[in-house]
Amino acid sequence: SQQGEEDPQALSIQEGENATMNCSYKTSINNLQWYRQNSGRGLVHLILIRSNEREKHSGRLRVTLDTSKKSSSLLITASRAADTASYFCATDKGSGNTPLVFGKGTRLSVIA
Amino acid sequence: DAGVIQSPRHEVTEMGQEVTLRCKPISGHNSLFWYRQTMMRGLELLIYFNNNVPIDDSGMPEDRFSAKMPNASFSTLKIQPSEPRDSAVYFCASRSSATNQLFFGSGTQLSVL
Repeated sequence: SQQGEEDPQALSIQEGENATMNCSYKTSINNLQWYRQNSGRGLVHLILIRSNEREKHSGRLRVTLDTSKKSSSLLITASRAADTASYFCATDKGSGNTPLVFGKGTRLSVIA
Repeated sequence: DAGVIQSPRHEVTEMGQEVTLRCKPISGHNSLFWYRQTMMRGLELLIYFNNNVPIDDSGMPEDRFSAKMPNASFSTLKIQPSEPRDSAVYFCASRSSATNQLFFGSGTQLSVL
């Protein structure tokens, strides 16, 4: 069953605009991760935020985590056409070697 | 490192045939995961291994599905007999014990006619 649910399901923006995607989850987590998937390819890890962190940055990516609301957001600033992809959040409920549970993703289209 | 390697990239078969998907994880990674992706259900965990031992196969849809990991560098996912509803993209991913980050293969696109 899905632990995380992304919102919106699809997002279309102009190049240069910011894109914000949200993720809600159901149970307590140790960390939350965001992945990107280009069409026809496997998922690629973008960023991990731990349950005791509230915000994290990596280049043009900014991730926030609100454990009281069981939600996270991924912000991509100054978007580019190459950012067009699907973005997934994934949660890790346990420690060590427990599996990640993925949401259904947000399809982002950046129009040049 | 070549990353996680899956084969074949595409598989088209007829209903009732046996299908075997293969995965080579990244060297040194001790966890391996098989996921299935469809439009309707998203990315579903089928089974995962720690140190070559199957830990949780509750995501395997039916007895027609089986997975093995005979050594640290190879795993297979077998469907016998295959059915049209098995059509999906099957991903293998691996992870080291030092990090929670998953590394995915390029997937196998399976079409069962």
